[in-house]
Amino acid sequence: QSVLTQPPSVSGAPGQRVTISCTGSSSNIGAGYDVHWYQQLPGTAPKLLIYGNSNRPSGVPDRFSGSKSGTSASLAITGLQAEDEADYYCQSYDSSLSGLYVFGTGTKVTVL
Amino acid sequence: QVQLQESGPGLVKPSQTLSLTCTVSGGSISSGSYYWSWIRQPAGKGLEWIGRIYTSGSTNYNPSLKSRVTISVDTSKNQFSLKLSSVTAADTAVYYCARLAQGYSSSWDHFDYWGQGTLVTVSS
Repeated sequence: QSVLTQPPSVSGAPGQRVTISCTGSSSNIGAGYDVHWYQQLPGTAPKLLIYGNSNRPSGVPDRFSGSKSGTSASLAITGLQAEDEADYYCQSYDSSLSGLYVFGTGTKVTVL
Repeated sequence: QVQLQESGPGLVKPSQTLSLTCTVSGGSISSGSYYWSWIRQPAGKGLEWIGRIYTSGSTNYNPSLKSRVTISVDTSKNQFSLKLSSVTAADTAVYYCARLAQGYSSSWDHFDYWGQGTLVTVSS
């Protein structure tokens, strides 16, 4: 029941830049609510990657950056590395009956 | 460093109640401005927020699960728990507990620490 839409997959060669979009609606991102991003490596729990649209927790490389505009947000990975191959999820607050916190559909990043 | 660990049965029969506990270590569950949450993920699928609890006992649940969910907290044990009643195969998933960091508004709320997750299978 994801209400935030992400592309199923993106890929890039090592060293390249890839971006992942997260599209919401007027009850979440479009209402001005912040977007947060999580990285889920294979077989592990999600890990906070970006919070408050563009803030990185301690220890997260500055290759990861986030932005938000209108009803969408984006996660960019520059200088793509093999260790970045994972699933990525966006998350926001939602004021409708979808639940307080909604996640994106998830994007698989493949390093070619 | 805060750590969370889920525990509970890995197999639950249909129509029964799923019960899981999350034990928090590395800090008091009562300290700071944090909610404590449950999130689940069916195999190969995305994340679904189940609900949250504050140490005062105040709760909020996902409307899609509200009629079947109860989250409680035991501050003396530094634990919080999930009960999901009348389960079906659709409730089969990896269940995560997580700390929900709060900020100046609910907009800022994000899950900053996660447990490793526990697989719960609903099957007879």
